[in-house]
Amino acid sequence: AQKVTQAQTEISVVEKEDVTLDCVYETRDTTYYLFWYKQPPSGELVFLIRRNSFDEQNEISGRYSWNFQKSTSSFNFTITASQVVDSAVYFCAPSPGSEKLVFGKGTKLTVNP
Amino acid sequence: NAGVMQNPRHLVRRRGQEARLRCSPMKGHSHVYWYRQLPEEGLKFMVYLQKENIIDESGMPKERFSAEFPKEGPSILRIQQVVRGDSAAYFCASSPGSGTTSNYGYTFGSGTRLTVV
Repeated sequence: AQKVTQAQTEISVVEKEDVTLDCVYETRDTTYYLFWYKQPPSGELVFLIRRNSFDEQNEISGRYSWNFQKSTSSFNFTITASQVVDSAVYFCAPSPGSEKLVFGKGTKLTVNP
Repeated sequence: NAGVMQNPRHLVRRRGQEARLRCSPMKGHSHVYWYRQLPEEGLKFMVYLQKENIIDESGMPKERFSAEFPKEGPSILRIQQVVRGDSAAYFCASSPGSGTTSNYGYTFGSGTRLTVV
């Protein structure tokens, strides 16, 4: 069965610090997709990124960057110069060859002013 | 262009009652997915539907739960004879086709918080 581990349950940082959220997954599929979603205190789910397993290039979008290492089955997410508005629960979710997402338990990030 | 609309946002039911959760996908989206989020947990897949068809219901509890996505109207997740353990946030997502190959992934609604008292 597919499995996702987000080892950091909670992280607390001070504004402007960089923070990395870890995600390690298990899958037997050779083709799969990886997603990150953000769930702010208001409760909705916000799409952040989708990557496919063939593309190992790192990606940067503003203050966000993602490091995909297929050899170690990791898809880590870094926020540079964190802001209070980044406070949320962040979910890593592989989609291993099917139309369903397998969510991790999430990492709760608190950015303090 | 409205996003995925879920209603109600909050629903309170007594044990034994029925709960009906509605999801209107984004315009142009024909694929609908339901997920359940228990307190302090990640989301768990329940069911994947296309218009008038259930494609994958591997995450649905065997009893009391059903889902539909009719030709016209919203998708409905129905829970009969609710119990306290059904208390959770239920999220609906939609995609225009395969969500995994869409550049925007799956678009989620704001969820329905079901409380069973």
